[in-house]
Amino acid sequence: EPEVTQTPSHQVTQMGQEVILRCVPISNHLYFYWYRQILGQKVEFLVSFYNNEISEKSEIFDDQFSVERPDGSNFTLKIRSTKLEDSAMYFCASSRDSHNQPQHFGDGTRLSIL
Amino acid sequence: QKEVEQNSGPLSVPEGAIASLNCTYSDRGSQSFFWYRQYSGKSPELIMSIYSNGDKEDGRFTAQLNKASQYVSLLIRDSQPSDSATYLCAVMGKGAGSYQLTFGKGTKLSVIP
Repeated sequence: EPEVTQTPSHQVTQMGQEVILRCVPISNHLYFYWYRQILGQKVEFLVSFYNNEISEKSEIFDDQFSVERPDGSNFTLKIRSTKLEDSAMYFCASSRDSHNQPQHFGDGTRLSIL
Repeated sequence: QKEVEQNSGPLSVPEGAIASLNCTYSDRGSQSFFWYRQYSGKSPELIMSIYSNGDKEDGRFTAQLNKASQYVSLLIRDSQPSDSATYLCAVMGKGAGSYQLTFGKGTKLSVIP
């Protein structure tokens, strides 16, 4: 069964550094998403992406964050200047359609900011 | 602010019993409803999706939706120890631009052998 793949599985970064989290969505999916989950808290929506542009973003997704689809397969989340509170699990998801089709999640990247 | 509320649990049931998980949501315009299972330290895994009022069954799982009451539930029959996990209710609604999936905090289920 096709899967969403995310790399790396764990990223340790010094505060203030830039970090790029990578995702390969399921190949025939058109909509891509990033979520984060701070330890012990709920899964929070960050951003959705369709047709090479952001279609929706949350209040969390401020100017420090950006997303990109640099080629036909990868989907990346960049955090420009990391803060301690950015430490979380970051999940990438994809769906065939925006609001009716279920979103399938990758295994996540655990981001630890020191 | 769209809210999805779940009882955090833990909900403990004996093996073989029925586990009943509940969820309410605030956005009356919500269109699609999902249940995900999340094992500790793992990613959410889709269990069920439901779009219209009534029941939807898939194996040991039954999802129930009542849009008038803004209520979604998940029943797990013949509960197994491997069902022990946190169950996340997720609701798709319209954001400022496009659609946005909002998660509840999850209900932790423990199935006792």
